[in-house]
Amino acid sequence: EAGVVQSPRYKIIEKKQPVAFWCNPISGHNTLYWYRQNLGQGPELLIRYENEEAVDDSQLPKDRFSAERLKGVDSTLKIQPAELGDSAVYLCASTRGWESSNVLTFGAGSRLTVL
Amino acid sequence: AQTVTQSQPEMSVQEAETVTLSCTYDTSESDYYLFWYKQPPSRQMILVIRQEAYKQQNATENRFSVNFQKAAKSFSLKISDSQLGDAAMYFCAFFQGGSEKLVFGKGMKLTVNP
Repeated sequence: EAGVVQSPRYKIIEKKQPVAFWCNPISGHNTLYWYRQNLGQGPELLIRYENEEAVDDSQLPKDRFSAERLKGVDSTLKIQPAELGDSAVYLCASTRGWESSNVLTFGAGSRLTVL
Repeated sequence: AQTVTQSQPEMSVQEAETVTLSCTYDTSESDYYLFWYKQPPSRQMILVIRQEAYKQQNATENRFSVNFQKAAKSFSLKISDSQLGDAAMYFCAFFQGGSEKLVFGKGMKLTVNP
């Protein structure tokens, strides 16, 4: 089966510009996560979806970040406007939950550089 | 809140030798899962091994095994017969069913010397 697909792999923008990241999870995985990984750190959760519903967005900076998962499949994470501190790798992951022993499968990530 | 601590930021090992990566965690829950993920320079987070907290038997996957000490909240990873391809960042992670999120440690960089 295809893995979790993310795009773009790399994005360089100037501060105050908008940026969007796209994620296509594994087919049949109802739960989707967006994580942010700063350089030299472990990933930190931004938002979790169960189908199309955002069930945990407590760590999402809502003044500039937004996300959606239309039809409960693909998801988009947007930043507007971007700030220098948003430079990081944005990871998408999906899982079937307890049916797969809660194993998350990750995409290759999108590396954002804000100049 | 659950926390995961990896106290060693870097380790190195000679090819074919054994290395142990340490991890401790903090939780008040009794039912949870623990994971080790590997992240090579390609950035893909790859599952190495998982352990269900209700199982007393330590998980093993080929050259990888864990030492799970539930009372001590310790979850170390042992890599036997280290190979050059094992060089990567290794992350210990905790998953608790109630919150349904994976919490990661800061990671540890493993270097394998030929």
